[in-house]
Amino acid sequence: AQSVTQLDSQVPVFEEAPVELRCNYSSSVSVYLFWYVQYPNQGLQLLLKYLSGSTLVESINGFEAEFNKSQTSFHLRKPSVHISDTAEYFCAVKSPTGRRALTFGSGTRLQVQP
Amino acid sequence: NAGVTQTPKFQVLKTGQSMTLQCAQDMNHEYMSWYRQDPGMGLRLIHYSVGAGITDQGEVPNGYNVSRSTTEDFPLRLLSAAPSQTSVYFCASSYGDGGSGNTIYFGEGSWLTVV
Repeated sequence: AQSVTQLDSQVPVFEEAPVELRCNYSSSVSVYLFWYVQYPNQGLQLLLKYLSGSTLVESINGFEAEFNKSQTSFHLRKPSVHISDTAEYFCAVKSPTGRRALTFGSGTRLQVQP
Repeated sequence: NAGVTQTPKFQVLKTGQSMTLQCAQDMNHEYMSWYRQDPGMGLRLIHYSVGAGITDQGEVPNGYNVSRSTTEDFPLRLLSAAPSQTSVYFCASSYGDGGSGNTIYFGEGSWLTVV
């Protein structure tokens, strides 16, 4: 069985400040890792994913996440946030085999203040 | 391309009523699924399907039925609505099997309130 823990339910931050959203996972097998973003009253959109290879993955809007196998973490970071980054962010895992579904964390609400 | 389309977007039901949430995708995806989103709990898988005629249960299947008669459609039926089913429901779809890490596409959600 897999599980995902997002340690912070809310993260307030000022515009142009750096931010880190934490994600830890538990799994007995190797997994794929994802970050999804949900803007208010919208569905989820894929932000970035780690399947294999380089442990640092980047999105087109300045976010990055680093897979750390020893710490079973996949934290999301951005060096300078914008008001438009205000959203809820979900970390998710999926096993390459077995049930073909994502297991989600409980989400972190990023609130960017001017 | 419409992507994943869910209807209705908002619905209020009385306890004991039944209804169907519709989901359609135009990307010829084999895999479709339904999640519910509750505050502080993230998204939880209700049912999923790996192709027409094939469905299986997720984490929280009780009180819900699904069928997959076509590749495009994957309706979710609430048999006898209960207040505990008040939630936001998301339909999702993707290519192929989970082993390849294919991107999963989500609909915009259906807000359901059971009174």
